[in-house]
Amino acid sequence: DGGITQSPKYLFRKEGQNVTLSCEQNLNHDAMYWYRQDPGQGLRLIYYSQIVNDFQKGDIAEGYSVSREKKESFPLTVTSAQKNPTAFYLCASSRDSASSYNSPLHFGNGTRLTVT
Amino acid sequence: SQQGEEDPQALSIQEGENATMNCSYKTSINNLQWYRQNSGRGLVHLILIRSNEREKHSGRLRVTLDTSKKSSSLLITASRAADTASYFCATAGFNQAGTALIFGKGTTLSVSS
Repeated sequence: DGGITQSPKYLFRKEGQNVTLSCEQNLNHDAMYWYRQDPGQGLRLIYYSQIVNDFQKGDIAEGYSVSREKKESFPLTVTSAQKNPTAFYLCASSRDSASSYNSPLHFGNGTRLTVT
Repeated sequence: SQQGEEDPQALSIQEGENATMNCSYKTSINNLQWYRQNSGRGLVHLILIRSNEREKHSGRLRVTLDTSKKSSSLLITASRAADTASYFCATAGFNQAGTALIFGKGTTLSVSS
């Protein structure tokens, strides 16, 4: 079965520590995305990548970093510079890399990060 | 840079009733998409309706699009308890990433048996 795998499901970290969230897809999709979701809120775009070795900042990129060394993988690092890192993080992919809004997004089941 | 906004924020109905959720957006669109999210899970794509379409069906789902009013509605007929979830509309909007899908805050639907 093709899909997107995010791991771990729950992650706990102390303030000041960097943490990396994993996202792997076997859908052969070109484009991948990271969204952040806070309680009762919509999704806000952190970073997206249309192709390997290329990525662009979204609305709330400050305090986050990404890499896209392989088509299947798009890890997100939450750095200590991110002021409010506790949130639900969702990774997604889409087949169409030309325009992210023309193809449906396929989502992973998220990682809930808690920083204390 | 919120593009779509759903209404109502929350909706509670009985099994068997119909549920209608609305989405309003601000700028012209190529298409509008609806997604569903079960609690603590990722979003699942339901329907994509293009700007030149007025209505689209998928099983018990019916989506309408009125580009003159910049609005869309999602109708779920004969609701079931398993339809309990949050529903989001998404449209293309301009943000720091250029043009990307922007999601509204969602409608939380609760269907009781």
